[in-house]
Amino acid sequence: NAGVTQTPKFRILKIGQSMTLQCTQDMNHNYMYWYRQDPGMGLKLIYYSVGAGITDKGEVPNGYNVSRSTTEDFPLRLELAAPSQTSVYFCASSYDFGGLAKNIQYFGAGTRLSVL
Amino acid sequence: QQQVKQSPQSLIVQKGGIPIINCAYENTAFDYFPWYQQFPGKGPALLIAIRPDVSEKKEGRFTISFNKSAKQFSLHIMDSQPGDSATYFCAAQEDDKIIFGKGTRLHILP
Repeated sequence: NAGVTQTPKFRILKIGQSMTLQCTQDMNHNYMYWYRQDPGMGLKLIYYSVGAGITDKGEVPNGYNVSRSTTEDFPLRLELAAPSQTSVYFCASSYDFGGLAKNIQYFGAGTRLSVL
Repeated sequence: QQQVKQSPQSLIVQKGGIPIINCAYENTAFDYFPWYQQFPGKGPALLIAIRPDVSEKKEGRFTISFNKSAKQFSLHIMDSQPGDSATYFCAAQEDDKIIFGKGTRLHILP
């Protein structure tokens, strides 16, 4: 089981360029998330999805877009990269067991992005 | 009301000591409190979690203490080892919403 796989691991972008961060999971989880992690600031939720075809904004969605066409994939799109988007991006997935059980988040290894 | 406040920001402890990391929350609707451990270059991974109907949970050397009335919870690491050096995040969850603390960078001296 690969779990949550993110590509690329590292990327340098110039201001104004666009790119897509890829995320795929093989655990058949219905929930998927994108976070950014800045030093000393913890994890901030960018977007999340509760299932294929359904996405919703998190705390810091500006400058990003997502889509969820399949259960497995949840790509994050940066349209016009800005230096403020320099960060480490984590994708996560979880499964809603319902009832008293709570969904554990499984994280990918992250994508380190620099915008210069 | 959605914040989870975590302290300290960083912590250095001698091997064998007991580092304690504290978190506080405001939203009483949160009903699940996990701790995640993150090693450099890796994503966070679930370490231990507690529900508000218990005051303490132990898993190996890791213990969560939970004070529902004070809306506070803490992580204790017994007999800490250099391999425990990592960043630790507390979190609070309600249904599909999870709020993370800002993290504590822990360094255990050999």
